[in-house]
Amino acid sequence: DTGVSQNPRHKITKRGQNVTFRCDPISEHNRLYWYRQTLGQGPEFLTYFQNEAQLEKSRLLSDRFSAERPKGSFSTLEIQRTEQGDSAMYLCASSADGYQPQHFGDGTRLSIL
Amino acid sequence: EDQVTQSPEALRLQEGESSSLNCSYTVSGLRGLFWYRQDPGKGPEFLFTLYSAGEEKEKERLKATLTKKESFLHITAPKPEDSATYLCAVFYEGSGAGSYQLTFGKGTKLSVIP
Repeated sequence: DTGVSQNPRHKITKRGQNVTFRCDPISEHNRLYWYRQTLGQGPEFLTYFQNEAQLEKSRLLSDRFSAERPKGSFSTLEIQRTEQGDSAMYLCASSADGYQPQHFGDGTRLSIL
Repeated sequence: EDQVTQSPEALRLQEGESSSLNCSYTVSGLRGLFWYRQDPGKGPEFLFTLYSAGEEKEKERLKATLTKKESFLHITAPKPEDSATYLCAVFYEGSGAGSYQLTFGKGTKLSVIP
């Protein structure tokens, strides 16, 4: 099964440290999305890529967050100088185009000590 | 402000007791609505896409319907394995040219008791 893969599944770090997450989308999908989900809430949109181009960023994506998708394949999401409020599940999704359903990975759970 | 509201927040059903979950929305430029199922510690799993009012989709014990203002997910004779959080997401035009976004509701946590 070549679904969306995210690594690591869990990340525990101290406040102020930098963390990086990786997402490998479904291979034929051009669009890749990042979301954040906290307990009891639905996923909240952060940013998306069409191939290697980052086309939209949410207001939720502060300057400490950066995402890349080199060569239009896998993507990384980096959080610099982590804060307590960054604790959440970070979800990646991909789709064939803007109209098709987004398929999600199982996320990376970030815990800030 | 664009909004997606799901009700109830939580629902407990006896096995075999049919019910419906509601998703109401107020967004401009709606292009469609998705239903997802999410198990604890997992990412959302795609169930249905609905693109226009009056459309219906079915999968096993689940049936999704769409009107101009809301969508329903009907669960017929549920089983314990149907226990999960059900999320709806509206799909609409974003701020950038040619961009589309999903806005999710908070979900309905369904528990089916044997």
